[in-house]
Amino acid sequence: DTEVTQTPKHLVMGMTNKKSLKCEQHMGHRAMYWYKQKAKKPPELMFVYSYEKLSINESVPSRFSPECPNSSLLNLHLHALQPEDSALYLCASSRAAGTGVIYEQYFGPGTRLTVT
Amino acid sequence: GESVGLHLPTLSVQEGDNSIINCAYSNSASDYFIWYKQESGKGPQFIIDIRSNMDKRQGQRVTVLLNKTVKHLSLQIAATQPGDSAVYFCADNSGGGADGLTFGKGTHLIIQP
Repeated sequence: DTEVTQTPKHLVMGMTNKKSLKCEQHMGHRAMYWYKQKAKKPPELMFVYSYEKLSINESVPSRFSPECPNSSLLNLHLHALQPEDSALYLCASSRAAGTGVIYEQYFGPGTRLTVT
Repeated sequence: GESVGLHLPTLSVQEGDNSIINCAYSNSASDYFIWYKQESGKGPQFIIDIRSNMDKRQGQRVTVLLNKTVKHLSLQIAATQPGDSAVYFCADNSGGGADGLTFGKGTHLIIQP
């Protein structure tokens, strides 16, 4: 089973709202990732968690706040977003990260976010 | 600038023919390469990967070739089927640190009946 699940599938929020995106995997993976994908563009890395610790933050604005409560779950907390933040937010997981050996990443279906 | 790029944004092939999707990379330090298929409204689906100590790897109906001399990567799909229609991305680990992937622009593969 190489399934990564994400909820919700779609989210519409105003610029003053606070919302959270959720991601879950049960493959025993110890690395999890958030990517952002604008329409007709490739995914862009936002955050990397390795063994539940944040190891990479690709200069993402503080209005995006990741959280990894345990090895199976990854959240992305959203606050005071801008319309240009509207995109598909993808979660991925892999066996491990930062160990010197890189493994394939498996992606979830994404959350389609619209900021109004 | 972007490390990983594709030569063509759209590739149209006849059903049953072989498809070849190309990708160039610029970072000599990249040592891991991966191909994804993304259908409309879905997340990227892992196809095949290759490490820099190899120059060829085969999967089911797919082959990835790596030419480190010219920094070129290709994905070959044999006997292309309608279900192969999608956007194909190559990616590598050129971004540095903790194995986040850097994606190329993507090639839209269109299958003609």
